[in-house]
Amino acid sequence: NAGVTQTPKFQVLKTGQSMTLQCAQDMNHNSMYWYRQDPGMGLRLIYYSASEGTTDKGEVPNGYNVSRLNKREFSLRLESAAPSQTSVYFCATRMEYSNQPQHFGDGTRLSIL
Amino acid sequence: GQQVMQIPQYQHVQEGEDFTTYCNSSTTLSNIQWYKQRPGGHPVFLIQLVKSGEVKKQKRLTFQFGEAKKNSSLHITATQTTDVGTYFCAGCAGNTPLVFGKGTRLSVIA
Repeated sequence: NAGVTQTPKFQVLKTGQSMTLQCAQDMNHNSMYWYRQDPGMGLRLIYYSASEGTTDKGEVPNGYNVSRLNKREFSLRLESAAPSQTSVYFCATRMEYSNQPQHFGDGTRLSIL
Repeated sequence: GQQVMQIPQYQHVQEGEDFTTYCNSSTTLSNIQWYKQRPGGHPVFLIQLVKSGEVKKQKRLTFQFGEAKKNSSLHITATQTTDVGTYFCAGCAGNTPLVFGKGTRLSVIA
């Protein structure tokens, strides 16, 4: 039972390159989330998908796009990477909106040179 | 929008000392959750509080939810080196995504 799987675990990009971070869950959860974590900034929500077929912006969506491919998969795309996007990215899932815990993947450590 | 403030940002304690982190929301919450993130790891759910004034305990950890449902605290009694990590509170105000505090990083000196 893998839970929430993120790929890749590490990535180094050059400024201007594009990349897609993948997230897949086998927990049959409806809601999926993408966060970035920077030192001293906590977890900031980039985009989320409350259910299959819907996506919404979070606190820091600029420079990112998402796709909820199906109930299991939620990808995050950087179209033109910038050094300011160097961060640790976490995918999380939850059964539904409220009163449920979130389950996080192991994260993707992304460096942009 | 909804904001969740968490203090302190860092706390260094001697092993055996107590530790408390505080969380305050700008809006009334329907529930609050606490997570722990070990160094190099991902956040892991600890507990959820739903009722006004609720107090829950997990071994040496005590969690409280304020009467007005706008603040919460996590208290660890007699810290151990295994308690090292960053503790996050996360508040939910109705049918919206969780809003996380910035976390309190706990260091325990043996």
